[in-house]
Amino acid sequence: EPEVTQTPSHQVTQMGQEVILRCVPISNHLYFYWYRQILGQKVEFLVSFYNNEISEKSEIFDDQFSVERPDGSNFTLKIRSTKLEDSAMYFCATSDSYNEQFFGPGTRLTVL
Amino acid sequence: AQTVTQSQPEMSVQEAETVTLSCTYDTSESDYYLFWYKQPPSRQMILVIRQEAYKQQNATENRFSVNFQKAAKSFSLKISDSQLGDAAMYFCAYRSPPNFGNEKLTFGTGTRLTIIP
Repeated sequence: EPEVTQTPSHQVTQMGQEVILRCVPISNHLYFYWYRQILGQKVEFLVSFYNNEISEKSEIFDDQFSVERPDGSNFTLKIRSTKLEDSAMYFCATSDSYNEQFFGPGTRLTVL
Repeated sequence: AQTVTQSQPEMSVQEAETVTLSCTYDTSESDYYLFWYKQPPSRQMILVIRQEAYKQQNATENRFSVNFQKAAKSFSLKISDSQLGDAAMYFCAYRSPPNFGNEKLTFGTGTRLTIIP
């Protein structure tokens, strides 16, 4: 069964460093999303991406965040200068339409 | 903006018994989708069941069923014959009507379900 994959599974970084989280969508999916879950809290929407541009972004998704599909397969989330409060689980989700979103296993980001 | 409320932070049930998790939501839209996701300790998000608002019939997936009350904006999940593997965090989620397929999911705060052997 096709699945969404994410790398790395766990990233530890120093405050102020840049991190790139990677996602490989299911091959025929065209709609991509990033969500964040701070430990013990609910899952929050960050950004949606379609046709090589951002469709919608939340207030969390400020200028420190960016997304792109650099090679037509990977879908990446970049945080330019990490803060302590960026520590969270980051989930990539993809969809082929307005039906179910399939979630990846997540990347746990720890900012020290 | 849509909001999703799960008023039960924790629930427990005896193995083989039935449990119902509650969810309410607020929206001004008439067409939308509702979902229940399961998050086990691995933290993977797994879709359990979904309901289209235009469908009056409640969705069912094996031991999982929903009670969708559109007028009351209520969407509860019933788990029958509870199994140890059902222990997880359960999130209710709302999705807006189709609009170029890029609608975000809005999640509730979750209910932690414990299965008692």
